[in-house]
Amino acid sequence: AQTVTQSQPEMSVQEAETVTLSCTYDTSESDYYLFWYKQPPSRQMILVIRQEAYKQQNATENRFSVNFQKAAKSFSLKISDSQLGDAAMYFCAHVGQGGSEKLVFGKGTKLTVNP
Amino acid sequence: GAVVSQHPSRVICKSGTSVKIECRSLDFQATTMFWYRQFPKQSLMLMATSNEGSKATYEQGVEKDKFLINHASLTLSTLTVTSAHPEDSSFYICSASSTGRVDTQYFGPGTRLTVL
Repeated sequence: AQTVTQSQPEMSVQEAETVTLSCTYDTSESDYYLFWYKQPPSRQMILVIRQEAYKQQNATENRFSVNFQKAAKSFSLKISDSQLGDAAMYFCAHVGQGGSEKLVFGKGTKLTVNP
Repeated sequence: GAVVSQHPSRVICKSGTSVKIECRSLDFQATTMFWYRQFPKQSLMLMATSNEGSKATYEQGVEKDKFLINHASLTLSTLTVTSAHPEDSSFYICSASSTGRVDTQYFGPGTRLTVL
């Protein structure tokens, strides 16, 4: 079964600093996608970043980047120059290419940004 | 691009009544839509997957007769909570994946259902 584990229920960071959120996953598939979604207090799920497993290069989106370690099944999110608006729940998710298209979510990490 | 809307954003209903929630993909065609339920401070729980023109596939433990899903077009899916009870009160979120780009889901803003 596919699983996604986020071992940090809560994290905090000072504004302008860098923070890394951890995520590990388990899958038997060789081809899959990984995501980080952000859910602010409005509860709108926002796609932060997407990684294709067959690509060795780590995905980046402005201040957000990932460290994708396929062999270790690790997919951490680094937020640089943290801003107050980054405060949210962050969910790591996985979807296989086996045809089900179902997203498997981790339990989430609540990020607090301190001014 | 890739905008998904949900209506209503909040609904309060009496126990025993039915409530319909709409999910629309505004700027793309969605072959597949998903319905999730989220309890406070928890992750999203997939309830069902719907494909346009076919019956929805429900996750284990989700009552298909209670949570009716219809995906009649490539831009609209509906979730009807029938004979609602207070324990059905929750936050319901839909998502959609674009035809030809099934690997990424885009989420609606969610619907808060309160059953009195």
